[in-house]
Amino acid sequence: AQTVTQSQPEMSVQEAETVTLSCTYDTSESDYYLFWYKQPPSRQMILVIRQEAYKQQNATENRFSVNFQKAAKSFSLKISDSQLGDAAMYFCAYSLTGTASKLTFGTGTRLQVTL
Amino acid sequence: DTAVSQTPKYLVTQMGNDKSIKCEQNLGHDTMYWYKQDSKKFLKIMFSYNNKELIINETVPNRFSPKSPDKAHLNLHINSLELGDSAVYFCASSQNTGNTEAFFGQGTRLTVV
Repeated sequence: AQTVTQSQPEMSVQEAETVTLSCTYDTSESDYYLFWYKQPPSRQMILVIRQEAYKQQNATENRFSVNFQKAAKSFSLKISDSQLGDAAMYFCAYSLTGTASKLTFGTGTRLQVTL
Repeated sequence: DTAVSQTPKYLVTQMGNDKSIKCEQNLGHDTMYWYKQDSKKFLKIMFSYNNKELIINETVPNRFSPKSPDKAHLNLHINSLELGDSAVYFCASSQNTGNTEAFFGQGTRLTVV
């Protein structure tokens, strides 16, 4: 069974600084997807970034980028120039490819952004 | 404009009651899901449907019965509610292709008293 581990229950970053959230996963598959979702206090689940396992290039979305290390099964999220609006729970998630594949989530990291 | 909408947003009910949560998506997706987020914020799949057919049932008690009248709707009916059912329930949808990006509803906070 696939598992996703987020070892940092809470992180804090100052506004305008950079923070990295860690995620490791366990799978015997070679083709899969990895995601970072953000859940602000509004409860809405928002996709931040997505990585296809077959792609060696790390995904980037504006201030958000990932460091995908397939051999190490590691998928960290870097947030640059942190903003107050980045404060939220961040969930790392894994999904196989194919029909109706479920998301397997990590336990989440609560990110605080301070002035 | 709402892509995935759930009703109600909040539901408070007594133990033993039966309740339903409705979900609708206007994205034209083939696959819909129910996830449960417990008090520790842990999210876990409950069910998934593809074109109205049940694909995933993750050892959920049979008091929980999903129903998909068409591929745009996936409702969740819960019989004989228990205290432990208190959680946030999220509906989601995705395309029936390999990219599997899931779009989530705003969640329904169920409180059983």
